[in-house]
Amino acid sequence: RKEVEQDPGPFNVPEGATVAFNCTYSNSASQSFFWYRQDCRKEPKLLMSVYSSGNEDGRFTAQLNRASQYISLLIRDSKLSDSATYLCVAAGGSNYKLTFGKGTLLTVNP
Amino acid sequence: EAGVAQSPRYKIIEKRQSVAFWCNPISGHATLYWYQQILGQGPKLLIQFQNNGVVDDSQLPKDRFSAERLKGVDSTLKIQPAKLEDSAVYLCASSHISYEQYFGPGTRLTVT
Repeated sequence: RKEVEQDPGPFNVPEGATVAFNCTYSNSASQSFFWYRQDCRKEPKLLMSVYSSGNEDGRFTAQLNRASQYISLLIRDSKLSDSATYLCVAAGGSNYKLTFGKGTLLTVNP
Repeated sequence: EAGVAQSPRYKIIEKRQSVAFWCNPISGHATLYWYQQILGQGPKLLIQFQNNGVVDDSQLPKDRFSAERLKGVDSTLKIQPAKLEDSAVYLCASSHISYEQYFGPGTRLTVT
């Protein structure tokens, strides 16, 4: 079983749509969780951290359920510029190791 | 603030040849990471340095890959000899004291 598993995608949605990405992690000792964004042929960049209480950053909402070992990302009112691969990340251990999922490709269409 | 620098950006070599990648982290970042990202996959950690010491190299194929960070700043990653399955993007990242890692633009390696 992969340590971090994501929806395989790809997702194709029209502008203005709401889209949700799901992710599960297998290591119950993971301490922190993130969503990274990776544009085509570019490096990953941190989108947002994920907290148990849920957190929101503009049109983006992230949720964490430690009991189910489940993480989600919701994007509301999708923009063309949201087109990218979204990487789910679990982190833990004394050396702050990040474990990435395979990523889910999102294409927002006009 | 300057970001993580990597060179070269692209490299094409034949199998069994050697190749080296260079990384200069963000100034002041003690931790440096090398990742391998195969097409369609997420980045996979190869090696992590804290200053000039290795913290984690459990996923580094040590029969052909080596890395060093001699003065605790720049780092090089070497592959010798390369195999076809080494074709990937090699990403360098650095961090200060938090989980947030800043990635460089990567080196895209093609082994033919």
